[in-house]
Amino acid sequence: KQEVTQIPAALSVPEGENLVLNCSFTDSAIYNLQWFRQDPGKGLTSLLLIQSSQREQTSGRLNASLDKSSGRSTLYIAASQPGDSATYLCAVLYGNNRLAFGKGNQVVVIP
Amino acid sequence: DTAVSQTPKYLVTQMGNDKSIKCEQNLGHDTMYWYKQDSKKFLKIMFSYNNKELIINETVPNRFSPKSPDKAHLNLHINSLELGDSAVYFCASSLSWRGTQETQYFGPGTRLLVL
Repeated sequence: KQEVTQIPAALSVPEGENLVLNCSFTDSAIYNLQWFRQDPGKGLTSLLLIQSSQREQTSGRLNASLDKSSGRSTLYIAASQPGDSATYLCAVLYGNNRLAFGKGNQVVVIP
Repeated sequence: DTAVSQTPKYLVTQMGNDKSIKCEQNLGHDTMYWYKQDSKKFLKIMFSYNNKELIINETVPNRFSPKSPDKAHLNLHINSLELGDSAVYFCASSLSWRGTQETQYFGPGTRLLVL
């Protein structure tokens, strides 16, 4: 069964601290892993996409790592800002072209 | 310009009614999807179309019928609405069916409440 788990479900951090969000998946036969951001009442925005052959991807203050053998990915957000407050979703693409989502990490950055 | 748009944004209706949600993408993508996000925020795929052909049909009740008149549009019709259908429905698109380097672009969602 292709399950994706995200821990913690919710967290609050003071502005300026680094954020660490964890994602684990049960089936390691993945094509890619993606991190999305979801704001309240809005759709999903893609942040980073890591191919199964890659170990990490970086975009600005965001860095995502992938350890396929252990079924884990971590999203790091450096020097968090109040504008980073949102829900972050991890999604894994499998060969049947299904994108399996975790339930998300709900983040609040306190000014 | 909105890449993936959905109408309506909010839909409140009575149990037993039939309703439709429309989705359009102006990205020139071949593949479109419908997802359901339930009250626990769990996002799950329902259907996928590639060039107007049904590719993925998850275990979804027959009351849900997707229709793709062309590859830029994927509509979702729901018959005999039930309380459990209340959720946020997201439309998404991607460049192609088998692209492993492509992300999916999501619409803003349609919030359906069945009373």
